[in-house]
Amino acid sequence: QLQVRESGPGLVKPSETLSLTCTVSGASISTDYWGWIRQSPGTGLEWIVSIYYSGSTYYNPSLKSRVSISLNTSKNQVSLKMNSVTAADTAVYYCARYDSYYSASGNLYNVYFDLWGRGTLVSVSS
Amino acid sequence: QSVLTQPPSVSGAPGQRVTISCTGSSSNIGAGYDVHWYQQLPGTAPKLLTYGNINRPSGVPDRFSGSKSGTSASLVITGLQAEDEADYYCQSYDSSLGGSHVFGTGTTVTVL
Repeated sequence: QLQVRESGPGLVKPSETLSLTCTVSGASISTDYWGWIRQSPGTGLEWIVSIYYSGSTYYNPSLKSRVSISLNTSKNQVSLKMNSVTAADTAVYYCARYDSYYSASGNLYNVYFDLWGRGTLVSVSS
Repeated sequence: QSVLTQPPSVSGAPGQRVTISCTGSSSNIGAGYDVHWYQQLPGTAPKLLTYGNINRPSGVPDRFSGSKSGTSASLVITGLQAEDEADYYCQSYDSSLGGSHVFGTGTTVTVL
């Protein structure tokens, strides 16, 4: 059974770098697409970044300058790094597998997140 | 500020039908991008409820149904049950400002 589990420090100081790891069990990360999504009371659900098994990456334009994502196939893990964090980055961070397809017309690319981890709360505070 | 707007809350008695709307614009739903819905029970992660406007993943009861028209989409719950009390979110893609997968503002369903 495919399972996804996020891990990382629960507290990060302002201006420092947030580092999270998503460990996948029950399947290889090399055959799927993965993303990070966060949720805070103030901004709701917000997509952060996605990565294909090929290594191609896609970023939320509003976060692109501060975010990076990578795959570690030997450990079956997906990692997220976000630098220069502020209190506004306090949120529950989710790792999720997603599926994608083109619309019937063939020109629109659609994505939905079909398996989510339980999430990990990250607070940014000094 | 999300580009997909949902009513903050809807409620209904057990057995009733409730509808949750998701209003977008010409750069997302109106552009032809599909809408997907998620259910988030208290204290848990979101769970995929419908995808591609109308499809249900295996295991999702058929009392949940999705639809899309123009710049809006809807999730209908027929035969409301106590276990349906949760937050519901729509999701699509928005092509403005560089492009991004976007979620709705969320709707809390209360079973009276």
